[in-house]
Amino acid sequence: DSGVTQTPKHLITATGQRVTLRCSPRSGDLSVYWYQQSLDQGLQFLIQYYNGEERAKGNILERFSAQQFPDLHSELNLSSLELGDSALYFCASSVGLGQFAGNTIYFGEGSWLTVV
Amino acid sequence: AQRVTQPEKLLSVFKGAPVELKCNYSYSGSPELFWYVQYSRQRLQLLLRHISRESIKGFTADLNKGETSFHLKKPFAQEEDSAMYYCALISAGGTSYGKLTFGQGTILTVHP
Repeated sequence: DSGVTQTPKHLITATGQRVTLRCSPRSGDLSVYWYQQSLDQGLQFLIQYYNGEERAKGNILERFSAQQFPDLHSELNLSSLELGDSALYFCASSVGLGQFAGNTIYFGEGSWLTVV
Repeated sequence: AQRVTQPEKLLSVFKGAPVELKCNYSYSGSPELFWYVQYSRQRLQLLLRHISRESIKGFTADLNKGETSFHLKKPFAQEEDSAMYYCALISAGGTSYGKLTFGQGTILTVHP
């Protein structure tokens, strides 16, 4: 168990709908990352937050948004869902940022999203 | 811009054979590199990081700055090593400070 908790584990929804994925980082971790894993795109970095502030942005669509709350949990909102959004969405957390020995990034078990 | 390349999408070996999963990177600074493993669509687990120079489950990886490579090696593959392996690099500066960039992954299959 990595200590990173993601809910829901599985979600099936229709095209055009909106869903929210939730992530609770490990206790003490300030940094939260979101990744999308699909068969054709591999593991794609979406966005990173550190202590409530957005720190880095990757290939995140405009239909997607995220935030990190004062209690450090994070939510990824996916709207106007399309079939191609079906993927495994991972959240990860770490103590801090950047290049120092203690900054191991731990992953949650992911949220399986199926858009039908 | 940082980039991680894993040239092999699939790699098959027989049990007991040596295995090498290739990883090349491009990064303007001094990189910190990792290998992650994912078993059957489970969560990614950190396998090893170059700064600790440790051996996990018999795997080792050496950072070669001249060749910008961080290949993962194991002298004798086991069936339980079958998994998806990701090479990753963490950004130490600029607007992507702390961002972990992954390669496309290599699916390793170890046959009995």
